[in-house]
Formats: sequence, structure tokens, C-alpha cells
Amino acid sequence: DQQVKQNSPSLSVQEGRISILNCDYTNSMFDYFLWYKKYPAEGPTFLISISSIKDKNEDGRFTVFLNKSAKHLSLHIVPSQPGDSAVYFCAASRAGNQFYFGTGTSLTVIP
Amino acid sequence: GAGVSQTPSNKVTEKGKYVELRCDPISGHTALYWYRQSLGQGPEFLIYFQGTGAADDSGLPNDRFFAVRPEGSVSTLKIQRTERGDSAVYLCASSLYGPSSYNEQFFGPGTRLTVL
Repeated sequence: DQQVKQNSPSLSVQEGRISILNCDYTNSMFDYFLWYKKYPAEGPTFLISISSIKDKNEDGRFTVFLNKSAKHLSLHIVPSQPGDSAVYFCAASRAGNQFYFGTGTSLTVIP
Repeated sequence: GAGVSQTPSNKVTEKGKYVELRCDPISGHTALYWYRQSLGQGPEFLIYFQGTGAADDSGLPNDRFFAVRPEGSVSTLKIQRTERGDSAVYLCASSLYGPSSYNEQFFGPGTRLTVL
């Protein structure tokens, strides 16, 4: 049973515009959420996280929003750059224990 | 500093054979994790070590899979009697503290296992 879902397998955005990647989860006990970025032939690299006591966390061009009532989080990248083209995974955990990953969204930023 | 390294980067084996996959975590990291990523899927948790002991092995799919971390650093994932369904990228990650500390996991590049 997939507890973390990314329903958009791919997304294309023009350079300079906003990229919005979405993630839904089913387990209301999850209290820590992360986004990882993955380039081909490399392992995922941590991008940004948010705990359930917050609804927003911002780091430069990257902002993660958490809507606990909807069990939904999103990653906003603005402005998008060609180097942002990668696969993005969201992950969730309860009390920092094992992470459950979504299936990923492949982002392409078109120059 | 060096990140998490995994060897080999690619492994091709025949059905029924035994394989070992190695992970070198970041020096000083106490926690080590193994994940499996099948095609089109996200990483799936297999096992987590805190120091030398397996603190959570609930993700291992069956008893053909086993992992060790005898000195609390390098870890080896062992798969017996490999099956074609074991083909995947096996990812290793490490973190400074255990997972209950909400700390970032650093991933290695993975080992791509292909079972013919």
C-alpha cells in the first residue's frame, strides 16, 4: 500500500517560471516530510524538509507547503532553472523513523 | 569530505547466485540504511542499522536478504538465491544520528543489480 503518492510522473516548465510539485500521503501519523532531488546515476540528495508543526518552510528558491488537513504537501521552485531538471521524490516519516518515498516526479525546465 | 560510497556500481548475476553489495557510509555517521528502488518506483526501505545492530529490518522482503554491519561502519547487503525480481537499484544512506532525530539521510549512488 503506497502511503506516499506523487500522481504526476512528469512536469515541464519554462525557465524563470514557477514549478509546483505535489505529494499526497495517507498516514495521519506522519510528522516529518522531506523532498529529495535525484540526477541520473546518482543517489537522491536532500533538498528541503518540514515538520508537521509548520505549514511552510522556505530555503532560497525552494519552498515547501504542508496542508495537514488535506494530507498534502507541495514543493515550489521559483524561478525555475535548467539545472533544476531532475527527478524529485517526496518522503514522509513518523518521529523520524523509516522514510516512505513517493514514486517521483521528473521535472524538465526548458531554457 | 567523502560521501557515501557503494560498490560495485553495477552487478550482473544469474538467477540462483549469491551476491554481496557493499556500502561505505560517511565517517562518523552512526545510522545506516538500505533501500531498494525498482524501475519507476521510489526508494523502498529495507533495513536500518544503529551502530552494529539492525534496529529495524522490517523492510527485508524475505529470508534470502540479510545485511550486516560488524564494526559499525561498512555494511554489506547479502542476497541468496537471487531471483529476477530482485533486479533493482540498491541504495545505501547514512545519517549522523538515528532516524528519531529528524536528521538528513545522505545517499550513495546505488548499486544496479541485474539478475538474468
